Amino acid sequence: NAGVTQTPKFQVLKTGQSMTLQCAQDMNHEYMSWYRQDPGMGLRLIHYSVGAGITDQGEVPNGYNVSRSTTEDFPLRLLSAAPSQTSVYFCASSYSSFPGAYNEQFFGPGTRLTVL
Amino acid sequence: TQLLEQSPQFLSIQEGENLTVYCNSSSVFSSLQWYRQEPGEGPVLLVTVVTGGEVKKLKRLTFQFGDARKDSSLHITAAQPGDTGLYLCAVGSSNTGKLIFGQGTTLQVKP
Repeated sequence: NAGVTQTPKFQVLKTGQSMTLQCAQDMNHEYMSWYRQDPGMGLRLIHYSVGAGITDQGEVPNGYNVSRSTTEDFPLRLLSAAPSQTSVYFCASSYSSFPGAYNEQFFGPGTRLTVL
Repeated sequence: TQLLEQSPQFLSIQEGENLTVYCNSSSVFSSLQWYRQEPGEGPVLLVTVVTGGEVKKLKRLTFQFGDARKDSSLHITAAQPGDTGLYLCAVGSSNTGKLIFGQGTTLQVKP
């Protein structure tokens, strides 16, 4: 099993450009989520999905869109990149739709995004 | 306002020293998780605690869940350079399915 994979690993964008960060998992997990990580801020939840066709907003959803057409894939779209979106982005998945007790989150290796 | 407050934010110690990091909240949680993240990688789960007062040990790491299930601590005995990393606590919502993280404690253990 590859686990959680993310592409690309690095990306540089100009302000106003759009792009999609890819995330895929091969563990048949229901729950998938996107976080951004900034210095001193820990991991902040952007969007999450409890199953195919179901998505919801996290703590910092503005400027980002998601969709979940299959169990395996959960892409994150930046419609018009801004310098404030410079960050490291992590995708994660877990078996249950309701993470908590005995429910391990598996993280991808991250995408380092710079917006100029 | 952070749901989870971790302290300290940064800790730099010598090999062999002991340390404790804390994860506090004003809310009650059914469970709490601790993750460790090494540079350039995603976080990896260390432990989940679910019962108030619960203590779990993972080699030199001791995790405790507060009696009221509002806080947790991570104690490392005789720290080693391999313990260097970012330690994150996280709690999940059984209603919404969200997993929320604290801001993390960056630990540096010098040889």
